[in-house]
Amino acid sequence: AQTVTQSQPEMSVQEAETVTLSCTYDTSESDYYLFWYKQPPSRQMILVIRQEAYKQQNATENRFSVNFQKAAKSFSLKISDSQLGDAAMYFCAYRSAISGAQKLVFGQGTRLTINP
Amino acid sequence: EPEVTQTPSHQVTQMGQEVILRCVPISNHLYFYWYRQILGQKVEFLVSFYNNEISEKSEIFDDQFSVERPDGSNFTLKIRSTKLEDSAMYFCASSERGRAGQYFGPGTRLTVT
Repeated sequence: AQTVTQSQPEMSVQEAETVTLSCTYDTSESDYYLFWYKQPPSRQMILVIRQEAYKQQNATENRFSVNFQKAAKSFSLKISDSQLGDAAMYFCAYRSAISGAQKLVFGQGTRLTINP
Repeated sequence: EPEVTQTPSHQVTQMGQEVILRCVPISNHLYFYWYRQILGQKVEFLVSFYNNEISEKSEIFDDQFSVERPDGSNFTLKIRSTKLEDSAMYFCASSERGRAGQYFGPGTRLTVT
């Protein structure tokens, strides 16, 4: 079974600075998808960014980018120019690419605080 | 921008009662999911649904749980006889294709007393 580990329960960063959240995963599969979700205090889960394992190029969405290291099974999220609205719980998630397998496997989450 | 919606936002029920949680997925999405998050814990997969049948389910999704798409817009999760440990936030999600990103609703907080 696949597992996702986020080793940083909490992180903090100064507004306008850059922060990197870590995620590692364990799988024997070669094709899969990785995601970062944001959960603000409202508790809604918001999709931040998505990466296909077969793509070598790291995904980018505005101020959010990932560093995908397939051999190391590492998938970190970099937030540039941090804003107060970025404060939230961030979850890394894995999804198999096997047909019929659709569930997301989530990590434990990292709580990000933005200091003004 | 289209969103997944869920009702109610908060449901309080007594142990042993049946509850139905409702979701309206994004209209052109074909895959639907339920997840739950016990307070302070990670989000856990319950079930996925495609083409009017369950396509995948977890060990949590036992005979007490069922899902249904009663019409072209709603997707429901029923818990037949609630237990104290069913207290959690329940999230509905949908995706356009099985391999696309899943978009979550705001959740229903279920409290079983």
